[in-house]
Amino acid sequence: KAGVTQTPRYLIKTRGQQVTLSCSPISGHRSVSWYQQTPGQGLQFLFEYFSETQRNKGNFPGRFSGRQFSNSRSEMNVSTLELGDSALYLCASSSNSFNTEAFFGQGTRLTVV
Amino acid sequence: AQTVTQSQPEMSVQEAETVTLSCTYDTSESDYYLFWYKQPPSRQMILVIRQEAYKQQNATENRFSVNFQKAAKSFSLKISDSQLGDAAMYFCAYRSIGGGSQGNLIFGKGTKLSVKP
Repeated sequence: KAGVTQTPRYLIKTRGQQVTLSCSPISGHRSVSWYQQTPGQGLQFLFEYFSETQRNKGNFPGRFSGRQFSNSRSEMNVSTLELGDSALYLCASSSNSFNTEAFFGQGTRLTVV
Repeated sequence: AQTVTQSQPEMSVQEAETVTLSCTYDTSESDYYLFWYKQPPSRQMILVIRQEAYKQQNATENRFSVNFQKAAKSFSLKISDSQLGDAAMYFCAYRSIGGGSQGNLIFGKGTKLSVKP
């Protein structure tokens, strides 16, 4: 069974641009969560989707958005990139609505210059 | 709001020895899940062990075990017979059961574990 796949693995963008990151969950998993990891703030929750609906959202500005498709694949978008958005973005998938166990992808390393 | 604290930024252990990583948390909830995740240099977060708060018995997974003290809000991870492959960042995490926080893992800042040959 394939694991959680995140694409791309690495990304370099210029300040002010926008970026879209993709996450394909484990087959059969309906819940996808996104986290931002930085050296200073650690791991912070961005949002969670379950069956195409955003179920939970962290404390991030509106520049951060996401969506989930009918096949459970999820994308997150960051508009008007700032230097502080440089981070490792991790996606996690779970099989049920209770998210008893979350499986993580290898992340997308975003660098904003 | 719930918080998770890992007071040891770095730890070191000799190969084959035992090491304990500390974690404390703060919550007003009575039911929740606690996790330890491992993040090696490959960056992928790997679940090491999970504990349900309503279970008094400490969880065990091979060389990994926890000491869960609910009243003290403490959740430490013991790694026995440490191996070189155990070297990684270890994160303690909390998750509520149900409600608006479903699916939201709250992480500590992590402990970097080094294993000396």
